[in-house]
Amino acid sequence: SAVISQKPSRDICQRGTSLTIQCQVDSQVTMMFWYRQQPGQSLTLIATANQGSEATYESGFVIDKFPISRPNLTFSTLTVSNMSPEDSSIYLCSVNTGRNTEAFFGQGTRLTVV
Amino acid sequence: GENVEQHPSTLSVQEGDSAVIKCTYSDSASNYFPWYKQELGKRPQLIIDIRSNVGEKKDQRIAVTLNKTAKHFSLHITETQPEDSAVYFCAASMRNFNKFYFGSGTKLNVKP
Repeated sequence: SAVISQKPSRDICQRGTSLTIQCQVDSQVTMMFWYRQQPGQSLTLIATANQGSEATYESGFVIDKFPISRPNLTFSTLTVSNMSPEDSSIYLCSVNTGRNTEAFFGQGTRLTVV
Repeated sequence: GENVEQHPSTLSVQEGDSAVIKCTYSDSASNYFPWYKQELGKRPQLIIDIRSNVGEKKDQRIAVTLNKTAKHFSLHITETQPEDSAVYFCAASMRNFNKFYFGSGTKLNVKP
């Protein structure tokens, strides 16, 4: 299993600003992912955070808007840049401890952009 | 990429009845299919999963079936209890990538 600490747990931000979300795992993991969950909706994969290389983004998500860092095997950050009200959502960090195994999720960051 | 469809979007059952949630996927390369339960304000938690080399898996009141040919899988909950009320998500994971594509979710309401 994996214990994931994500912060902040929530924030209210002004439009046009940026917010960086941190994800810390209690063990080294190869694969880390960032998801977005809009209110009452499903989880949508934003990107795969690759250690030592650039993140791999899903269709509809770009690095300029959602820059990701992965400096080591236990930590990653997601930045939501130049925010607009449409970015209001819950952002979740996720890790897998092996191929085709359970994904563990952080508690999420509830972002409100005003 | 993978496309996962989930039905129904809401499901209301009487306590003690069974609940069935169905999902289809598009990519035959997907080979891992987890089901997550998400209670209000909480993170998703795995309740059961199945890999493509088996057709059925059961864990107490919960079972999952997989039809690879038809590319669909289902969650079955028997003897439902009020604490089963939550949103359930199916997902499919593409071979060797470990990233999950989720269905749209089913809000299950178990009435006492």
